[in-house]
Amino acid sequence: DQQVKQNSPSLSVQEGRISILNCDYTNSMFDYFLWYKKYPAEGPTFLISISSIKDKNEDGRFTVFLNKSAKHLSLHIVPSQPGDSAVYFCAASGYGGSQGNLIFGKGTKLSVKP
Amino acid sequence: SAVISQKPSRDICQRGTSLTIQCQVDSQVTMMFWYRQQPGQSLTLIATANQGSEATYESGFVIDKFPISRPNLTFSTLTVSNMSPEDSSIYLCSVGYRGGAEAFFGQGTRLTVV
Repeated sequence: DQQVKQNSPSLSVQEGRISILNCDYTNSMFDYFLWYKKYPAEGPTFLISISSIKDKNEDGRFTVFLNKSAKHLSLHIVPSQPGDSAVYFCAASGYGGSQGNLIFGKGTKLSVKP
Repeated sequence: SAVISQKPSRDICQRGTSLTIQCQVDSQVTMMFWYRQQPGQSLTLIATANQGSEATYESGFVIDKFPISRPNLTFSTLTVSNMSPEDSSIYLCSVGYRGGAEAFFGQGTRLTVV
């Protein structure tokens, strides 16, 4: 049973608009959430994270929102750029300071069209 | 973050053979992990590579199939033994740091078993 779920395998967005990628989780013990971006033939690259004590974290064009009651998080990219086209993975940590031991979703392929 | 190099980047292997994947980090790291990404699936943790002792395997993964070495704080190997087509996946080395949740990844090894 998947503990981290990304229900949309793909998303297509026009350049300049907002991209919203969603992620749901089932384990209420998760206390840290991360987003990774992956280009073909490369390893995943850490993008942004959020602790369970917060509901929002922002870094430039990227914002992650956490709704603990709904066990849901989302990644907003504004404005979207063609270079953002990649697969985005949501990941969760089972306890603080897990030092890299993560549970991943299946990923959402984002395509940003010029 | 550290620079993580994996070798080989890809390989095509005959069933029944074994392949050893190397992971070299340019600085000493606390934690090293091996993940697998099967086609269309999420990244799944195979094991934590422990320096100077046996690796810690996740449920569903065993040492006989995936022997791991970590002789020092900058190097680890993963062997995929007695391969079958079901082992065709991307294998990823990652590192983590004490007190942090983030994992940082190498570029991965794309393995095809024929």
